[in-house]
Amino acid sequence: QKEVEQNSGPLSVPEGAIASLNCTYSDRGSQSFFWYRQYSGKSPELIMFIYSNGDKEDGRFTAQLNKASQYVSLLIRDSQPSDSATYLCAAFTGGGNKLTFGTGTQLKVEL
Amino acid sequence: DVKVTQSSRYLVKRTGEKVFLECVQDMDHENMFWYRQDPGLGLRLIYFSYDVKMKEKGDIPEGYSVSREKKERFSLILESASTNQTSMYLCASSHLGERTQETQYFGPGTRLLVL
Repeated sequence: QKEVEQNSGPLSVPEGAIASLNCTYSDRGSQSFFWYRQYSGKSPELIMFIYSNGDKEDGRFTAQLNKASQYVSLLIRDSQPSDSATYLCAAFTGGGNKLTFGTGTQLKVEL
Repeated sequence: DVKVTQSSRYLVKRTGEKVFLECVQDMDHENMFWYRQDPGLGLRLIYFSYDVKMKEKGDIPEGYSVSREKKERFSLILESASTNQTSMYLCASSHLGERTQETQYFGPGTRLLVL
């Protein structure tokens, strides 16, 4: 069973702090990784994707990938209350055009 | 911008009814997906399609069927709705191509209540 694991949280951080969201995956054949944000009652929206080892930055968001450790993370700098949401990690393994999703980490940014 | 639309935001149906959920995407994507999302269980893939008239079972296909007669449209059918099918249903689409193009874009979701 190919799995993507996330801590369900909630992860609470104060406004302005760095939020660190983590994800591990079991299938070494996974090629690409995606981070989605989902507000309560809404559908997931893409934040960013990464497929090379190292860091990828987009505004306040940085995705980190370590294929040797099978680990993906998302850092959110200068966290805002509007960042409070559930963050879904997903992996693409190249077979069947499917993504495998984790169950998500709930982030709460407190004033 | 990619746009994925779903026919209803909220639906209330009775046990035993036949239910149709429709999804339309406007980006000429080859792949389309149906998921259900339940608290604590995350997104679970019901069916997906990578071409017109083609379909593949996902992780939880029991009690569901799908139809893809046109590239832009993917329908999910509950042949005889049951209360355990009460859930949020999400449609997504993606392009078949380079690895960065596996990004799935989601519709707004349909919250289905089966009484």
